[in-house]
Amino acid sequence: QVQLQESGPGLVKSSETLSLTCTVSGASINSGSFYWTWIRQSAGTGLEWIGRYHTFGNTYYNPSLKSRVTISVDTSKNQFSLRLTSMTAADTAVYYCARGYEKTGDRYFDFWGQGNLVTVSS
Amino acid sequence: AIQMTQSPSSLSASVGDRVTITCRASQGIGNDVGWYQQKPGRAPKVLIYSASSLHSEVPSRFSASGSGTDFTLSISSLQPEDFATYYCLQDYNYPITFGGGTKVELK
Repeated sequence: QVQLQESGPGLVKSSETLSLTCTVSGASINSGSFYWTWIRQSAGTGLEWIGRYHTFGNTYYNPSLKSRVTISVDTSKNQFSLRLTSMTAADTAVYYCARGYEKTGDRYFDFWGQGNLVTVSS
Repeated sequence: AIQMTQSPSSLSASVGDRVTITCRASQGIGNDVGWYQQKPGRAPKVLIYSASSLHSEVPSRFSASGSGTDFTLSISSLQPEDFATYYCLQDYNYPITFGGGTKVELK
């Protein structure tokens, strides 16, 4: 069974950098059928797509965050990570990692982590 | 970015009712729409992809349709486990964007 598990801090100070890791089990990050995504959810802005990594393709970021966000991969650990700099209160959210499936035009997020609540303090 | 306008934002319904939720895209997006269900404290769960394709293990009382800019999700006979929040999303282009959600509550 595919499982994704986020890990990282629950509290980050304003202006600091958030680092979250998603550990994947039951599937390989190197698989060409999937892409690996970060999505966040806050009461204020709802669900927001942050960006994605694909082993054979480009890494895409949400333009609203592009200057602050980096998604990287550690294939030896089957993990992918999110780095978000210059955190503010507006970045307080539950951060999810998810697996995206894509084949012949069909796309969906089929497995998600349980979510990591990140609160930004002043 | 493409905006997805979802309505209503909430609705009250009874078990057995038929429920319909709509999503309108700010530009034509073909059939590149998905629908997700989220329960409190849980991650979203895929119901529908490519506007009308039912994901595996999703009950057949869920259906969806639409193309271009207007999309609908229907639940033919609401069950107790269906009380949740529903979101549409577009993956026509990046950034992927979500609708604001529809909370389905017990009347």
